[in-house]
Parts: sequence; structure tokens; C-alpha cells
Amino acid sequence: KAGVTQTPRYLIKTRGQQVTLSCSPISGHRSVSWYQQTPGQGLQFLFEYFSETQRNKGNFPGRFSGRQFSNSRSEMNVSTLELGDSALYLCASSWRGRAEDTQYFGPGTRLTVL
Amino acid sequence: KQEVTQIPAALSVPEGENLVLNCSFTDSAIYNLQWFRQDPGKGLTSLLLIQSSQREQTSGRLNASLDKSSGRSTLYIAASQPGDSATYLCAVDGNNRLAFGKGNQVVVIP
Repeated sequence: KAGVTQTPRYLIKTRGQQVTLSCSPISGHRSVSWYQQTPGQGLQFLFEYFSETQRNKGNFPGRFSGRQFSNSRSEMNVSTLELGDSALYLCASSWRGRAEDTQYFGPGTRLTVL
Repeated sequence: KQEVTQIPAALSVPEGENLVLNCSFTDSAIYNLQWFRQDPGKGLTSLLLIQSSQREQTSGRLNASLDKSSGRSTLYIAASQPGDSATYLCAVDGNNRLAFGKGNQVVVIP
């Protein structure tokens, strides 16, 4: 089975621009979660989608948004980029998003904001 | 708000020694706890998942224990190898979201 894939792997943007990141979960998985990883804050939860519905959201400003499609692929969008948005963005998929389901992470998208 | 702590932030051990990594969390109302491994510039690889009703899980040289009442988990890696060099992250699942510690950066010296 193919693992979780994320595209693109690397992005360089300038302040004020917007960016869209994509995540394709493991086949059959219906839950997709997004995390931001920075050296200072570590890994922080952004949001979780299940069957095209956002079930959970972390403490991030409204500039961060996401969506999930009927094939479970997910995208996250960051508008009006700030320098502090530079980070590794990781997505994770699981079968049902339940506590007993292992979460499988993708390789991440490295976003650099100049 | 769940706080997850991993101490020490970094450690080095000679090859062959057993590794003991500790994780503590503040809110015992968790559904499960997972240990992950992260190699530099890479994503996370799940090592072990312990349900809240379980006390421990084992996989090969890895063993993880969970004590919910005291808010602690320990990851044991037996007979460490240079390939075990990585950052190990502990994460607790409270409500379909993982709260992570900042990790233990491990170097196994040949």
C-alpha cells in the first residue's frame, strides 16, 4: 500500500502571498489531520477532516483553512503569509480517525516564507 | 490544555546500551498514546500505539509502558544500534487530536 503523500515537498513564498498544500491519504483512510512543526513550538495540531467534514480545529488564525474531497484527499490553504508561517507542514491519515487507529504521517511540505 | 514533556531534549549512548526515554503529560483523560520516530527532514514513523486501557505494548526491541494515573509513559529500546539515532516523539490523543512533546534527540555512538 502506498503511504501518505504530500505535494509539493518544498515551497518558497513571500510575505502576503497565499499557498495551497495537498495531502493524499493511504487508500481506504477517511480521516486526515494537519500539523505544523517549528523548532520553537514543536508539532501543533491544525485541523482534522473526516468524510469531507472538519471535525476538529486547533488554535490557529483564520488564515489557515482546509478542505477534504470525496476521495479523502485534503488540501490546506494559508492566506496572507507571514514570516512565522515558515514551518514543516505534516499531514496524517488514519482509517476512521478513532483512538484505536494508528495515525500515519506523510513526509511533509517544507514552507519557507521570505 | 494538555502539556506533554519529554526530558532530556538530547542524549547520546554507546552502541549496545539500552535506551530509556520518558514522556509525561498533564491530563490523564487520554484515549491513547503513540511513540513516533522522526529522522532529520522527514515525516513521522509510528513505533507503538498504546490504548488508554493498556499498560504496555511491545514490538521487536521496543517496549512502551503507560501509567495514566501518574501521567507517564516510557519507551525502552533494547541493545541500541547506530540506526536508532533519530528524534523520538511522544503524542497523546485526547479528542481526535494529537498533543506532542518536543522530542528526545538520540545519538547512538558506534
